[in-house]
Amino acid sequence: EVQLVESGGGLVQPGGSLKLACAASGFSFSDSAIHWVRQASGKGLEWVGRIRMKAGNYATAYAASMTGRFTVSRDDSKNTAYLQLNSLTTEDTGVYYCCLNEVPGRPSLAFDILGQGTVVTVSA
Amino acid sequence: DIVMTQSPVALSVTPGEPASISCRSSQSLLSSNGNTYLIWYLQKTGQSPQLLIYVSSTRASGVPDRFSGSGSGTDFTLKISRVEAEDVGVYYCMQYLQAPVTFGQGTRLQIK
Repeated sequence: EVQLVESGGGLVQPGGSLKLACAASGFSFSDSAIHWVRQASGKGLEWVGRIRMKAGNYATAYAASMTGRFTVSRDDSKNTAYLQLNSLTTEDTGVYYCCLNEVPGRPSLAFDILGQGTVVTVSA
Repeated sequence: DIVMTQSPVALSVTPGEPASISCRSSQSLLSSNGNTYLIWYLQKTGQSPQLLIYVSSTRASGVPDRFSGSGSGTDFTLKISRVEAEDVGVYYCMQYLQAPVTFGQGTRLQIK
């Protein structure tokens, strides 16, 4: 069974930092790309960024509003991806989800949001 | 960036009646490998988004066959053949042809 479990959310002050984690199991993690998507309360879905697999040179990409503040990384030995959030503002408050893409032989897993997300609250 | 535009913003449907949601992209979502990278989600209140359709027209596992996705290039449609009460929520389309991945603004489905 494929599982993605997000963690690391919490309350942080404006200007602060937080590191989210996405623990994965049940598929070939090291051969897959990991994406992060977020949703502010009452708002729509917003793509945050992604990191590709080793074969893709671990290439990263970010939404324009997050470039320079957010960093996606991964540790294939732990089947875990991370999202480092820096210089947080109140507009970064929301639920953060991780999801997969480019899973070998399993196109049905692309962007299937399997977890409950982790809640980030930026407030003074 | 590819802009995704959904319509309508909201719709109210009688149970048992069909429903249709449109999604347009600012450029073609057809990849050189022949796949069209368009996804549909349903997000029910208080829940994570649920994947309904991927690569434009393939139903995800466990999705009832009353849901269907169609379209090509830049014009896509999600159809519900007979709406049920459990179909209430917000529907999103999303393109994953290229980064940045982009979403439509959502369509809220309510029951009459």
